[in-house]
Order: sequence, then structure tokens, then C-alpha cells
Amino acid sequence: RKEVEQDPGPFNVPEGATVAFNCTYSNSASQSFFWYRQDCRKEPKLLMSVYSSGNEDGRFTAQLNRASQYISLLIRDSKLSDSATYLCVVNREGQNFVFGPGTRLSVLP
Amino acid sequence: NAGVTQTPKFQVLKTGQSMTLQCAQDMNHNSMYWYRQDPGMGLRLIYYSASEGTTDKGEVPNGYNVSRLNKREFSLRLESAAPSQTSVYFCASSTTGAAGNTQYFGPGTRLTVL
Repeated sequence: RKEVEQDPGPFNVPEGATVAFNCTYSNSASQSFFWYRQDCRKEPKLLMSVYSSGNEDGRFTAQLNRASQYISLLIRDSKLSDSATYLCVVNREGQNFVFGPGTRLSVLP
Repeated sequence: NAGVTQTPKFQVLKTGQSMTLQCAQDMNHNSMYWYRQDPGMGLRLIYYSASEGTTDKGEVPNGYNVSRLNKREFSLRLESAAPSQTSVYFCASSTTGAAGNTQYFGPGTRLTVL
């Protein structure tokens, strides 16, 4: 089993839709959690960190459930510019970052 | 601030040839990383350097060597390239490897081995 798993995708949604991505991690010692965004043929860029209490940044909401070892990302009112691959990333103290395979999102006009 | 820079952006090699991928960061970060990304797979760690003067193997180190030349620069060398090393290579840096620190990536090097 991979250490970080994500919805396989792709997700094709109309503009204005709400879309949710799921991620699970297998190592209960994981301490830090992130969502990165990667545009086609570009490098990954940090979208947001994920905190235990959940956090929101504009149209984006991230949730963490440590008991279930589950992370989610909700995008409201999808824009064409949200089309990208979303990578779930976990990190343990003194260890390295582990990336999920990513979920591709296409927002259609 | 340039952030993380990589050279070259593209490279085509023949099997058996060698090359070095260069990476530099100007954010005064201690930790640097080399990843490869293949279609349908997440980023896989090749080597990392937690601080200047140290390097360690990641998930897929075979066929690669690295040098942490100084705090700014971290190079990746392919001694004898193989078609299985065709991939996109990303360099990244972070303040430290400690939990909570985020990584910043370079633009990538697209390598094809024929």
C-alpha cells in the first residue's frame, strides 16, 4: 500500500461547481500536511497547509482527520484557472515529504 | 529573488552518456532535494541533503549520485544514463526537514534517454 493515496481522478466539473478531493495516509506518525497544486508541465507549488482545526483560504477549504488519517480539499465556485493536478503531501518530524500521485481537475466552461 | 533554479531545462542523452543536473537556491535554506516525476506517479525522492555537507538516499537512488557543493547548490549526476531514467527531475529546498516546513520547487529538467 502506498503511504499517501488520493482519488484517482480525473475530475471534470463545470465552472461554478464545488469539488472535493480526498487523501489518505498510512503512517500515523505523520505531522504536517499540505496541498500542492501542479499545472501542466510546471513545478508543484504550495496551495495551502492543512491544520488540525481545518483552515480556509478564499474558495479553498482543507480538513484533517487524524483519527481516520484522512485529508480533504474542497474547492467552491470552481474557476477555469483551477484546472490543475492537486497533490497531497505529508511530512514527519525529521523525515521527508511524501507525495501522493495527484488528482487531476479540469474545470469546463 | 530567483527562488530555486535548475539547469538545463531540457536534455536528450544516449544510453550510457553521463550528465549533471544543476540546482541552486537563494533562500538560505538548509535542506535540498532531488525528485523524479513519471506519468501517473507522484514525485519520488532520489536524494536529499538535510544540511550543507550531508547527503542521504531517498526512495529511488540507484543510478544517481549527488553533491552538495555549498549551502546554495545541490547537483544530481547520472553516470551512465539508461532509458528508465527518462523523466522530469525537480529540485526543491526547504528551511529544514522539520515538520511544518514547506518545500519550494525549481522549474524542472525534462530528460529523455534514447
